[in-house]
Amino acid sequence: EVQLVQSGAEVKKPGESLKISCKGSGYSFSTSWIGWVRQMPGKGLEWMGFIYPGDADTRYSPSFQGQVTISADKSITTAYLQWSSLKASDTAVYYCARLGYCSRGTCYAFDAWGQGTMVTVSS
Amino acid sequence: EIVLTQSPGTLSLSPGERATLSCRTSQSVSSSYLVWYQQKPGQAPRLLIYGASSRASGIPDRFSGSGSGTDFTLTISRLEPEDFAVYYCQYYGNSLLTFGGGTKVEIK
Repeated sequence: EVQLVQSGAEVKKPGESLKISCKGSGYSFSTSWIGWVRQMPGKGLEWMGFIYPGDADTRYSPSFQGQVTISADKSITTAYLQWSSLKASDTAVYYCARLGYCSRGTCYAFDAWGQGTMVTVSS
Repeated sequence: EIVLTQSPGTLSLSPGERATLSCRTSQSVSSSYLVWYQQKPGQAPRLLIYGASSRASGIPDRFSGSGSGTDFTLTISRLEPEDFAVYYCQYYGNSLLTFGGGTKVEIK
């Protein structure tokens, strides 16, 4: 069974740094793209970026480029999302998800999701 | 960048009724990469439809997807109580992934 287990809720102050995690199991972690999706309170889904753990190839949404860093450690089958300086507007639930549906060599749909990590940034 | 516009924003229906949700793209896209998800309160999204019309594993056949070009539709033939949720379309192209704004299907 494919599973993605995310780290727990975080409460931080503006300006602080943060790294949240997503541990994959039940599939070949190195050969599946892992994406991150933001959901602000009461709002829709926003794609942030994804990473291919096998070679660390990373793609970012233009909206999030330079705002966050996505990384992965394939030796422990874990992906990460980090911020160097949080803002109140980063308050949201963050989901990791596996881009597991592929067609003609292009993987395009998230078929497994983590449970979400709630990040609250408040002074 | 392709923009996905979902309508209506909210659909108020009764159990047993048919739900028709629309997803319009800002330019013609390949239906191969058009996807639908369901999200219930407090839960992660769940994949419903991939490739515009193929049901994901375990998805009941009352859910169906159709469309091409710029117009795509998710249809729920007869609403069950567990179908009241928010539905998102999503497209992947040119290394960019975009979600629509969502349609909430609520109990009338």
